[in-house]
Amino acid sequence: GAGVSQSPRYKVAKRGQDVALRCDPISGHVSLFWYQQALGQGPEFLTYFQNEAQLDKSGLPSDRFFAERPEGSVSTLKIQRTQQEDSAVYLCASSPRRDLNTEAFFGQGTRLTVV
Amino acid sequence: QKEVEQNSGPLSVPEGAIASLNCTYSDRVSQSFFWYRQYSGKSPELIMSIYSNGDKEDGRFTAQLNKASQYVSLLIRDSQPSDSATYLCAVNMNRDDKIIFGKGTRLHILP
Repeated sequence: GAGVSQSPRYKVAKRGQDVALRCDPISGHVSLFWYQQALGQGPEFLTYFQNEAQLDKSGLPSDRFFAERPEGSVSTLKIQRTQQEDSAVYLCASSPRRDLNTEAFFGQGTRLTVV
Repeated sequence: QKEVEQNSGPLSVPEGAIASLNCTYSDRVSQSFFWYRQYSGKSPELIMSIYSNGDKEDGRFTAQLNKASQYVSLLIRDSQPSDSATYLCAVNMNRDDKIIFGKGTRLHILP
């Protein structure tokens, strides 16, 4: 596709439910990032992949959060036993080069609401 | 100290004036700096990138970088109401290979 695609755009989950958020990066992009953006805040780094390797997951807020990119393309962010504080927009971004001296291109995000 | 810091605003600027947005960062070895614009309910979009000290101009936008002072700024000339948005400063933390964002500055252009 022409840009980064995320699905679903909106997700309402009951507290305790597991959710899976999908990111389809720009074809050929090596680097993929996940960010969490709370209302009125900047994006907070969650995790980062180069191809299929998860190089940094220091931003994942708890062990309920898990991300994978098994074939170095599509990525899934999974949140287990969702809590109300997980409500946020989850942004995925991809970047074409390994050295990261290029900008990241963002998808439209998934707005997660935990009720 | 937070890794990337911005004044949250709101910054109100009259239409046609120059808007000046500032950002400081903590990691001296950072090499790549980006300004993103984010409209309410939308995803961030890149408007400027800068990699070396000095000024970089693109249309009405000028990015300024001072690595010695760990400071990067964005100037918007001839501000338009459509420039009203949140502006996010982002820095490539080379030591960690990740891009870190500031919390953003809300800019409001007064018609």
